[in-house]
Amino acid sequence: DAGVIQSPRHEVTEMGQEVTLRCKPISGHDYLFWYRQTMMRGLELLIYFNNNVPIDDSGMPEDRFSAKMPNASFSTLKIQPSEPRDSAVYFCASSSRGTSGTQRGIQYFGAGTRLSVL
Amino acid sequence: GENVEQHPSTLSVQEGDSAVIKCTYSDSASNYFPWYKQELGKRPQLIIDIRSNVGEKKDQRIAVTLNKTAKHFSLHITETQPEDSAVYFCAASIRSSSNTGKLIFGQGTTLQVKP
Repeated sequence: DAGVIQSPRHEVTEMGQEVTLRCKPISGHDYLFWYRQTMMRGLELLIYFNNNVPIDDSGMPEDRFSAKMPNASFSTLKIQPSEPRDSAVYFCASSSRGTSGTQRGIQYFGAGTRLSVL
Repeated sequence: GENVEQHPSTLSVQEGDSAVIKCTYSDSASNYFPWYKQELGKRPQLIIDIRSNVGEKKDQRIAVTLNKTAKHFSLHITETQPEDSAVYFCAASIRSSSNTGKLIFGQGTTLQVKP
């Protein structure tokens, strides 16, 4: 498997524009997580899905942020309208519940999207 | 709410010395504790993890210890090398999701290994 794939790797946009970040989880994984990383706040969980259903979105900062997972192999995180304070690295991660073994629950991260809002 | 405290925030050691990073967690139901290493500009990558049915786990130069009574766990790196320089994150699973990993992450420790 190619691992968790995120696109784009870098995004530069102007304040007020819509930004869409994309993620393809590892095949067979049934959990998907969106994180935001900044120097000030560290690694924050924004939202996570189980079997394409949002389970916990308490970390989503405000209504400008939304996330979807239309199928098991694709998720998006959208910011509309974007603001300079949204500048950060956004990571997607996936994991498998599994039934046993050492692999269950391990989160594998994508390479991240570095977002700059000017 | 659930919380993971990580110390120190920065750590500088000489090559060959040992490094220890400590974390405490608040959720007594947590039973999965991974450690991630993040090199500059890269993604966090799992380096070692421990589940609550063991007290210690070792993998070559790295080891993790867990004290469930005190709710703390530690990462030990021996014979440090310059390539160990990175940010290290501890994490703890949240109750009822320990098989899947909703994780709460510590704030990270920047480790610098001086040649």
